[in-house]
Amino acid sequence: QLQLQESVPGLVKPSETLSLTCNVSGGSISGSRYYWAWVRQPPGKGLEWIGNIFYSGTSYYNPSLESRVTISVDTSKNHFSLRLTSVTAADTAVYYCARLSHGDSNWFDPWGRGTPVTVSS
Amino acid sequence: QSVLTQPPSVSGAPGQRVTISCIGSTSNIGTGYDVHWYQQLPGTAPKLLIYGNTNRPSGVPDRFSGSRSGTSASLAITGLQAEDEADYYCQSYDTALSGVLFGGGTKVTVL
Repeated sequence: QLQLQESVPGLVKPSETLSLTCNVSGGSISGSRYYWAWVRQPPGKGLEWIGNIFYSGTSYYNPSLESRVTISVDTSKNHFSLRLTSVTAADTAVYYCARLSHGDSNWFDPWGRGTPVTVSS
Repeated sequence: QSVLTQPPSVSGAPGQRVTISCIGSTSNIGTGYDVHWYQQLPGTAPKLLIYGNTNRPSGVPDRFSGSRSGTSASLAITGLQAEDEADYYCQSYDTALSGVLFGGGTKVTVL
């Protein structure tokens, strides 16, 4: 059974860079059927798509975050990563990694358990 | 407009039927992009509930059903149970955003 597990950065200072890794187990991150994605949820609010990446390295980002976001993939380690630069309090959220189906119809399944990130000095 | 609009909350008594709407536009649902639904129980990660407008993943009770028509979609829960109390999100693809779009979420309360 495929499982995803986010790393735990916890507290990040304003203006610094948030870095997270999602470790994938129970299946290979390589393959043409899926993307690998990041989604976040600010406290008490809804879900926001951050971006997703194909195993080949092709990535897609939410335009509202594109200038600050980089998603990368390491197939040898079966994990993918998120970097978000110049963070502010507005980036405080639970960050989820998830598998996103590839093709004409794109849904997220499964999801990691999520890791809370707080931006504060 | 890159927005999927859901009612903030719906409620119903045990055993009743409730529906959650997801209103989109011609840049997302109206273009023919599929709608997917997620259930988020308190303090947990979202879980796929319906994919491809009407399909239930293995293990999801048939009390949950989805539909899509025009620029909107709906999730129906029949025979409402206490364990269905959660937040529900719709999701689609948006051409103006060139990416994934989530609805704002609907909190279902079982009275």
